[in-house]
Amino acid sequence: EPEVTQTPSHQVTQMGQEVILRCVPISNHLYFYWYRQILGQKVEFLVSFYNNEISEKSEIFDDQFSVERPDGSNFTLKIRSTKLEDSAMYFCASRMDSPNSPLHFGNGTRLTVT
Amino acid sequence: AQTVTQSQPEMSVQEAETVTLSCTYDTSENNYYLFWYKQPPSRQMILVIRQEAYKQQNATENRFSVNFQKAAKSFSLKISDSQLGDTAMYFCAFMNHNTDKLIFGTGTRLQVFP
Repeated sequence: EPEVTQTPSHQVTQMGQEVILRCVPISNHLYFYWYRQILGQKVEFLVSFYNNEISEKSEIFDDQFSVERPDGSNFTLKIRSTKLEDSAMYFCASRMDSPNSPLHFGNGTRLTVT
Repeated sequence: AQTVTQSQPEMSVQEAETVTLSCTYDTSENNYYLFWYKQPPSRQMILVIRQEAYKQQNATENRFSVNFQKAAKSFSLKISDSQLGDTAMYFCAFMNHNTDKLIFGTGTRLQVFP
């Protein structure tokens, strides 16, 4: 069964550094998402992306965050200047074009900001 | 704003027994989707079951079934014949039909004992 893949599985970075989290969604999916989960807390929506533009974003997704689909397969989340509170598990997800198709999540990238 | 509440932080069940995880939600919308996701220690988010609000019939997936009470805004998950591999964090989630984001509850940690 096709999967959403995320790399790296764990990223450690220093505060103030830029970090790029990478995702390869399922190939025939058209909607892409980033969610995050701070340790011990619930999963929170960050952003959705369709047709090469952001379709919806949360309050968390401020100017420090950006997303990009640089080619036909990758979907990236960039954090420009990381803060300690950005430490979390970041999940990429994708779904097909039908309205009620379910989200498929990747295994996540654990980001640790020191 | 929509909210999802899971009032049971932790549950435990003996192998082969049945357990029910509770979830309530709040929305003024009539058309939406509800989901249960499983997050094992590997941290991957796995879709367990989903329910369309316009369907009166409760969704079933093998040992997993839901009790969807639309008027009460309740969406509980029943796991029958529990297995050790069911040990995980379980998240209830809501998605409005005209938006593109999942709203998660805080999760219930389920431990299955031999």
